[in-house]
Amino acid sequence: DSGVTQTPKHLITATGQRVTLRCSPRSGDLSVYWYQQSLDQGLQFLIQYYNGEERAKGNILERFSAQQFPDLHSELNLSSLELGDSALYFCASSMDYVYTFGSGTRLTVV
Amino acid sequence: ILNVEQSPQSLHVQEGDSTNFTCSFPSSNFYALHWYRWETAKSPEALFVMTLNGDEKKKGRISATLNTKEGYSYLYIKGSQPEDSATYLCALEGNEKLTFGTGTRLTIIP
Repeated sequence: DSGVTQTPKHLITATGQRVTLRCSPRSGDLSVYWYQQSLDQGLQFLIQYYNGEERAKGNILERFSAQQFPDLHSELNLSSLELGDSALYFCASSMDYVYTFGSGTRLTVV
Repeated sequence: ILNVEQSPQSLHVQEGDSTNFTCSFPSSNFYALHWYRWETAKSPEALFVMTLNGDEKKKGRISATLNTKEGYSYLYIKGSQPEDSATYLCALEGNEKLTFGTGTRLTIIP
Protein backbone atom coordinates (compact mmCIF):
# COMPACT_ATOMS: atom_id res chain seq x y z
CA ASP A 1 0.00 0.00 0.00
CA SER A 2 1.59 3.23 -1.21
CA GLY A 3 -0.58 5.44 1.00
CA VAL A 4 -2.33 7.01 -1.99
CA THR A 5 -5.83 5.59 -2.38
CA GLN A 6 -7.76 5.64 -5.62
CA THR A 7 -11.33 4.53 -6.11
CA PRO A 8 -12.82 2.80 -7.91
CA LYS A 9 -10.18 0.38 -9.22
CA HIS A 10 -12.20 -0.44 -12.31
CA LEU A 11 -14.99 1.38 -14.07
CA ILE A 12 -16.94 0.40 -17.16
CA THR A 13 -19.31 2.94 -18.62
CA ALA A 14 -20.98 3.88 -21.88
CA THR A 15 -20.10 6.64 -24.29
CA GLY A 16 -21.63 9.98 -23.42
CA GLN A 17 -21.69 9.26 -19.71
CA ARG A 18 -19.96 11.08 -16.87
CA VAL A 19 -17.78 9.51 -14.19
CA THR A 20 -15.91 10.70 -11.12
CA LEU A 21 -12.59 9.27 -10.02
CA ARG A 22 -11.45 9.81 -6.47
CA CYS A 23 -8.02 10.12 -4.93
CA SER A 24 -6.94 10.39 -1.31
CA PRO A 25 -3.33 11.54 -1.01
CA ARG A 26 -0.76 10.23 1.41
CA SER A 27 -1.17 11.68 4.88
CA GLY A 28 0.49 15.08 5.05
CA ASP A 29 0.95 15.51 1.29
CA LEU A 30 -0.56 18.75 0.01
CA SER A 31 -0.05 18.22 -3.73
CA VAL A 32 -2.16 15.95 -5.90
CA TYR A 33 -1.43 15.13 -9.53
CA TRP A 34 -3.56 13.33 -12.10
CA TYR A 35 -2.04 11.33 -14.95
CA GLN A 36 -3.57 9.39 -17.83
CA GLN A 37 -1.99 6.31 -19.37
CA SER A 38 -3.49 5.19 -22.64
CA LEU A 39 -2.48 2.15 -24.67
CA ASP A 40 1.13 2.37 -25.83
CA GLN A 41 1.57 5.84 -24.39
CA GLY A 42 3.51 7.03 -21.42
CA LEU A 43 1.98 8.66 -18.39
CA GLN A 44 0.49 11.95 -19.57
CA PHE A 45 0.15 14.75 -17.04
CA LEU A 46 -3.36 16.13 -16.71
CA ILE A 47 -3.50 18.52 -13.78
CA GLN A 48 -2.00 19.37 -10.39
CA TYR A 49 -3.53 20.79 -7.23
CA TYR A 50 -1.74 22.15 -4.20
CA ASN A 51 -3.67 22.66 -0.97
CA GLY A 52 -6.93 23.16 -2.81
CA GLU A 53 -5.69 25.35 -5.63
CA GLU A 54 -4.90 24.45 -9.22
CA ARG A 55 -1.13 24.75 -9.77
CA ALA A 56 -0.41 23.34 -13.20
CA LYS A 57 -2.37 22.08 -16.16
CA GLY A 58 -1.29 19.66 -18.84
CA ASN A 59 -3.10 18.24 -21.84
CA ILE A 60 -6.41 17.98 -20.08
CA LEU A 61 -9.50 18.01 -22.26
CA GLU A 62 -12.23 20.57 -21.66
CA ARG A 63 -14.59 17.66 -20.95
CA PHE A 64 -12.43 16.81 -17.95
CA SER A 65 -12.26 18.77 -14.72
CA ALA A 66 -10.82 18.26 -11.29
CA GLN A 67 -10.85 19.74 -7.84
CA GLN A 68 -9.15 19.30 -4.49
CA PHE A 69 -11.26 19.53 -1.37
CA PRO A 70 -10.39 21.00 2.06
CA ASP A 71 -9.57 17.52 3.37
CA LEU A 72 -7.08 17.32 0.45
CA HIS A 73 -8.77 14.49 -1.40
CA SER A 74 -9.22 15.13 -5.10
CA GLU A 75 -11.76 14.17 -7.71
CA LEU A 76 -11.33 13.94 -11.47
CA ASN A 77 -14.56 14.36 -13.40
CA LEU A 78 -14.75 13.00 -16.93
CA SER A 79 -17.84 13.88 -18.95
CA SER A 80 -19.27 13.16 -22.41
CA LEU A 81 -17.06 10.11 -22.44
CA GLU A 82 -15.67 8.81 -25.70
CA LEU A 83 -14.13 5.44 -26.54
CA GLY A 84 -10.72 7.09 -26.64
CA ASP A 85 -11.00 8.08 -23.00
CA SER A 86 -10.47 4.45 -22.03
CA ALA A 87 -7.25 4.48 -20.06
CA LEU A 88 -5.60 3.97 -16.72
CA TYR A 89 -5.87 7.11 -14.60
CA PHE A 90 -3.29 7.58 -11.88
CA CYS A 91 -3.24 9.95 -9.00
CA ALA A 92 -0.03 10.89 -7.20
CA SER A 93 0.75 13.00 -4.18
CA SER A 94 4.06 14.56 -3.27
CA MET A 95 6.02 16.03 -0.45
CA ASP A 96 9.70 16.98 -0.40
CA TYR A 97 10.15 15.94 -4.04
CA VAL A 98 8.98 12.39 -3.38
CA TYR A 99 6.05 11.46 -5.60
CA THR A 100 3.88 8.56 -4.50
CA PHE A 101 1.40 6.99 -6.89
CA GLY A 102 -1.87 5.23 -6.29
CA SER A 103 -2.67 1.97 -8.05
CA GLY A 104 -4.88 3.67 -10.60
CA THR A 105 -8.43 3.51 -11.88
CA ARG A 106 -8.91 1.58 -15.10
CA LEU A 107 -11.67 3.22 -17.10
CA THR A 108 -13.26 1.35 -19.98
CA VAL A 109 -15.71 3.22 -22.18
CA VAL A 110 -17.92 0.97 -24.29
CA ILE B 1 8.66 21.48 -22.71
CA LEU B 2 10.62 18.57 -21.28
CA ASN B 3 11.22 15.66 -23.66
CA VAL B 4 12.12 12.29 -22.24
CA GLU B 5 13.11 9.29 -24.33
CA GLN B 6 13.78 5.81 -23.07
CA SER B 7 15.49 2.96 -24.84
CA PRO B 8 15.09 0.21 -25.55
CA GLN B 9 11.31 -0.02 -25.52
CA SER B 10 11.50 -3.63 -24.37
CA LEU B 11 14.19 -6.01 -23.29
CA HIS B 12 14.44 -9.73 -22.56
CA VAL B 13 17.28 -10.77 -20.27
CA GLN B 14 18.35 -14.17 -19.04
CA GLU B 15 18.13 -14.67 -15.28
CA GLY B 16 21.49 -13.93 -13.71
CA ASP B 17 22.66 -11.59 -16.46
CA SER B 18 23.19 -7.89 -15.86
CA THR B 19 21.50 -5.26 -17.96
CA ASN B 20 21.10 -1.54 -18.37
CA PHE B 21 18.85 0.89 -20.17
CA THR B 22 18.83 4.55 -20.98
CA CYS B 23 16.83 7.68 -20.35
CA SER B 24 17.83 10.60 -22.55
CA PHE B 25 16.77 14.22 -22.57
CA PRO B 26 17.80 17.08 -24.85
CA SER B 27 17.73 19.76 -22.19
CA SER B 28 19.07 19.92 -18.65
CA ASN B 29 16.40 22.43 -17.71
CA PHE B 30 14.80 20.33 -14.99
CA TYR B 31 15.02 20.05 -11.25
CA ALA B 32 15.43 16.30 -10.78
CA LEU B 33 15.36 12.99 -12.63
CA HIS B 34 13.26 10.18 -11.18
CA TRP B 35 13.31 6.44 -11.89
CA TYR B 36 10.25 4.32 -11.18
CA ARG B 37 9.58 0.61 -11.32
CA TRP B 38 6.06 -0.31 -12.41
CA GLU B 39 4.50 -3.74 -12.27
CA THR B 40 1.16 -4.35 -13.93
CA ALA B 41 -1.84 -3.71 -11.65
CA LYS B 42 0.36 -2.00 -9.06
CA SER B 43 1.45 1.55 -8.29
CA PRO B 44 4.62 2.87 -9.89
CA GLU B 45 7.28 2.51 -7.20
CA ALA B 46 9.93 5.18 -6.76
CA LEU B 47 13.48 3.88 -7.15
CA PHE B 48 15.74 6.92 -7.30
CA VAL B 49 15.69 10.70 -7.43
CA MET B 50 18.81 12.38 -8.79
CA THR B 51 19.48 16.09 -9.04
CA LEU B 52 23.16 16.67 -9.66
CA ASN B 53 25.36 15.94 -12.62
CA GLY B 54 27.41 12.89 -11.75
CA ASP B 55 24.89 11.62 -9.20
CA GLU B 56 25.02 7.89 -8.61
CA LYS B 57 22.42 6.07 -6.56
CA LYS B 58 22.23 2.41 -5.54
CA LYS B 59 19.59 0.20 -3.99
CA GLY B 60 20.57 -3.45 -3.72
CA ARG B 61 21.27 -4.79 -7.21
CA ILE B 62 19.90 -1.69 -8.94
CA SER B 63 21.86 1.48 -9.52
CA ALA B 64 21.52 4.63 -11.59
CA THR B 65 23.73 7.40 -12.87
CA LEU B 66 22.97 10.89 -14.16
CA ASN B 67 24.90 12.89 -16.74
CA THR B 68 23.15 16.22 -17.27
CA LYS B 69 25.87 17.60 -19.54
CA GLU B 70 25.43 14.87 -22.12
CA GLY B 71 21.73 14.41 -21.46
CA TYR B 72 21.30 10.86 -20.21
CA SER B 73 20.72 8.63 -17.22
CA TYR B 74 21.44 4.91 -17.04
CA LEU B 75 19.69 2.35 -14.90
CA TYR B 76 21.69 -0.81 -14.18
CA ILE B 77 20.45 -4.10 -12.83
CA LYS B 78 23.07 -6.59 -11.71
CA GLY B 79 22.34 -10.30 -11.68
CA SER B 80 18.73 -10.05 -12.94
CA GLN B 81 16.08 -12.00 -11.07
CA PRO B 82 12.54 -12.89 -12.21
CA GLU B 83 11.12 -10.35 -9.75
CA ASP B 84 12.91 -7.60 -11.69
CA SER B 85 10.42 -8.06 -14.53
CA ALA B 86 8.57 -4.75 -14.77
CA THR B 87 8.40 -1.53 -16.73
CA TYR B 88 11.03 1.00 -15.71
CA LEU B 89 9.98 4.63 -16.08
CA CYS B 90 12.16 7.70 -16.19
CA ALA B 91 10.67 11.11 -15.41
CA LEU B 92 11.96 14.66 -15.32
CA GLU B 93 10.72 16.95 -12.60
CA GLY B 94 10.09 20.54 -13.63
CA ASN B 95 7.31 23.08 -14.13
CA GLU B 96 5.36 21.69 -11.16
CA LYS B 97 5.08 18.15 -12.55
CA LEU B 98 6.81 14.96 -13.63
CA THR B 99 7.19 14.37 -17.36
CA PHE B 100 7.55 10.68 -18.11
CA GLY B 101 9.19 8.68 -20.84
CA THR B 102 7.31 5.73 -22.31
CA GLY B 103 9.34 3.24 -20.29
CA THR B 104 11.46 0.17 -20.85
CA ARG B 105 9.62 -3.11 -20.39
CA LEU B 106 12.02 -5.65 -18.89
CA THR B 107 11.28 -9.36 -18.95
CA ILE B 108 13.59 -11.76 -17.13
CA ILE B 109 13.75 -15.23 -18.65
CA PRO B 110 14.19 -17.95 -15.99
